[in-house]
Amino acid sequence: DAGVIQSPRHEVTEMGQEVTLRCKPISGHDYLFWYRQTMMRGLELLIYFNNNVPIDDSGMPEDRFSAKMPNASFSTLKIQPSEPRDSAVYFCASASNRGTTGLAGTGELFFGEGSRLTVL
Amino acid sequence: KQEVTQIPAALSVPEGENLVLNCSFTDSAIYNLQWFRQDPGKGLTSLLLIQSSQREQTSGRLNASLDKSSGRSTLYIAASQPGDSATYLCAVRPAFSNSGYALNFGKGTSLLVTP
Repeated sequence: DAGVIQSPRHEVTEMGQEVTLRCKPISGHDYLFWYRQTMMRGLELLIYFNNNVPIDDSGMPEDRFSAKMPNASFSTLKIQPSEPRDSAVYFCASASNRGTTGLAGTGELFFGEGSRLTVL
Repeated sequence: KQEVTQIPAALSVPEGENLVLNCSFTDSAIYNLQWFRQDPGKGLTSLLLIQSSQREQTSGRLNASLDKSSGRSTLYIAASQPGDSATYLCAVRPAFSNSGYALNFGKGTSLLVTP
């Protein structure tokens, strides 16, 4: 299996520019997560999807951040306009809860390699 | 909100030693706890997943235990090797949360195993 695939691996941009990060989850997984990692705050959940539907976006910092999942094999995280404080590593992860009900699934998470964003 | 703490933040040991990494969490109502490994510049790799009904899980030289009532988990690494050098993160999935699937992560323990 190819695992979770993220692009780009590195992005350097100037303040005010639009940034789009992309993720391809593991085939067959029905959950997709976007996390952000910084030295100060560690790993923070931004948003997650179940069957392409956003379930919880309470971790999205502000309206400058948006995420979409148009189909089961693709998701984007967009920042517009970007700011220096958005500099971080953004991870996508996927999981499968199939065969279980409600919240009782094991749902082991598989992470991508991350997208390192630097906003100057 | 569930708080997850990992102690120590960093650890250096000589090759061959057995070692224990600690993880504590504030709310014992959890679905499961997962240990991850992160190499520099890489993503997270799942090591072990312990369900709330389980006491421990083993994989090779790794053994993870869970004591829900005391809010603790330990990751035991036997006969450490330089290749074990990485950051180890603990993550807890709360049992009752508006964000049903959200994992709460600790900040990790950075392990260095010297030859």
